[in-house]
Amino acid sequence: KQEVTQIPAALSVPEGENLVLNCSFTDSAIYNLQWFRQDPGKGLTSLLLIQSSQREQTSGRLNASLDKSSGRSTLYIAASQPGDSATYLCAVSRTGGSYIPTFGRGTSLIVHP
Amino acid sequence: DVKVTQSSRYLVKRTGEKVFLECVQDMDHENMFWYRQDPGLGLRLIYFSYDVKMKEKGDIPEGYSVSREKKERFSLILESASTNQTSMYLCASSWDRDYGYTFGSGTRLTVV
Repeated sequence: KQEVTQIPAALSVPEGENLVLNCSFTDSAIYNLQWFRQDPGKGLTSLLLIQSSQREQTSGRLNASLDKSSGRSTLYIAASQPGDSATYLCAVSRTGGSYIPTFGRGTSLIVHP
Repeated sequence: DVKVTQSSRYLVKRTGEKVFLECVQDMDHENMFWYRQDPGLGLRLIYFSYDVKMKEKGDIPEGYSVSREKKERFSLILESASTNQTSMYLCASSWDRDYGYTFGSGTRLTVV
C-alpha cells in the first residue's frame, strides 16, 4: 500500500527565503505526482503535475522535481512571499489498477513579512 | 480552465436530516470524487464515479451515498446526518490520470 509522507508538517520562514518542501512515497511504481496548494477553509488548487517520465516541472517561482528511484519529490519555492502562506499537499497516483491518488497530510507554510 | 463548482460553501444541518451536497464540473470529465478532510486525518475518499450511473466505494463510505445521473453532476447524500459527519467536503474531477485532478472550493458542513 502506497504511503505518502510530507515533512516538515509546518514551516515558518521570513519573506524572501528560498525554500524546499518534501514529499516521500514508499512505492516507486507511480504514474504521476501532483502538487496542490490549499488556503484555509478553501479547496485544493493544482500547482504542478509531474508525469513519471519527467524529472521536473516549473511554473513561475515554483519548481517541482521527481526522483522515483529514491521515492521523493521536492517543491522548490523561490523568493517566498507572504501570499505563499498556505498548506501544500502532494498526491501520488500509481501505475496499473485504480489510479485513485494517495495524498500526503501536507506542509503548512507561513511566510512572515 | 476546468471549473468544479460545489453548490454551498457553508451548511448547517440538524442531526437526522437528509443532506445533499452538489458538485458540478464543466469539462466533460469522466471521473468524479468526493473526499472529506478533517484535522489530523488528511483527505479521505468517500465515493468515486468513473461514469454516469456508476459508483464505487472509497475508504469511508458508511453513512453516505452518491448519485450520478448526468456526467457533469455528482451528488453526495448523507442519509441521516450525524455530528461526526461535521467536516470539510471536497469534490474533485479528472479526465484521466494523465491530466491530474481539479478540486472544487469545498463545503464546510456542520451538523448540530
